[in-house]
Amino acid sequence: EVQLLESGGGLEQPGGSLRLSCAASGFTFSSYAMRWVRQAPGKGLEWVSAISGSGGVTYYADPVKGRFTISRDNSKNTLYLQMNSLRAEDTALYYCARVCGSGHCLDCWGQGTLVTVSA
Amino acid sequence: QSALTQPASVSGSPGQSITISCTGTSSDVGGYNFVSWYQQHPGKAPKLMIYEVSNRPSGISNRFSGSKSGNTASLTISGLQAEDEADYYCSSYTRTSYVFGTGTKVTVL
Repeated sequence: EVQLLESGGGLEQPGGSLRLSCAASGFTFSSYAMRWVRQAPGKGLEWVSAISGSGGVTYYADPVKGRFTISRDNSKNTLYLQMNSLRAEDTALYYCARVCGSGHCLDCWGQGTLVTVSA
Repeated sequence: QSALTQPASVSGSPGQSITISCTGTSSDVGGYNFVSWYQQHPGKAPKLMIYEVSNRPSGISNRFSGSKSGNTASLTISGLQAEDEADYYCSSYTRTSYVFGTGTKVTVL
């Protein structure tokens, strides 16, 4: 069974840092691109960042560019999101998701980890 | 990149059909056949329902169908059931990234 399990969320002050992790199981992790998607409380979905299967290609949404870094360790089947210079507007539930084989959809999602940025 | 436009809410009675629209531009929905749809029940993670405009993943009921005309994509749910009550989001490729729709709450009357 394909599973994604996020961790690392919590309460952080503005300007602080957090590192999210997403442990994958049930599939050949290195064969799939991955993405982080977030959802602010009571709001819609927002794409955050993406990474290729090898980790060599990364993409970022404009609101997080220069502050967040996506990475992966294929030997540990784990995806990461390093979040620096956090802002109140980064408060959200962060999901990791597997990119479909076709490359343009998300066919498996974790349950999310909550990040709250507040003084 | 602005979010794709969806109606805030759509409702229907059990057994009826409803359609949710997703309007973008020629730079996203209209420019590529890479529209996907996700269902999200309260407190749950999103679930892929349709990919590449009209394809259903394995295990998704054929009551769900997708289409596109110009800059607007649509998700149709036929034979509406109580379990279909949820939020629905469209998403499209935009050449350099991806964008989600504003979301539609489906209510089964």
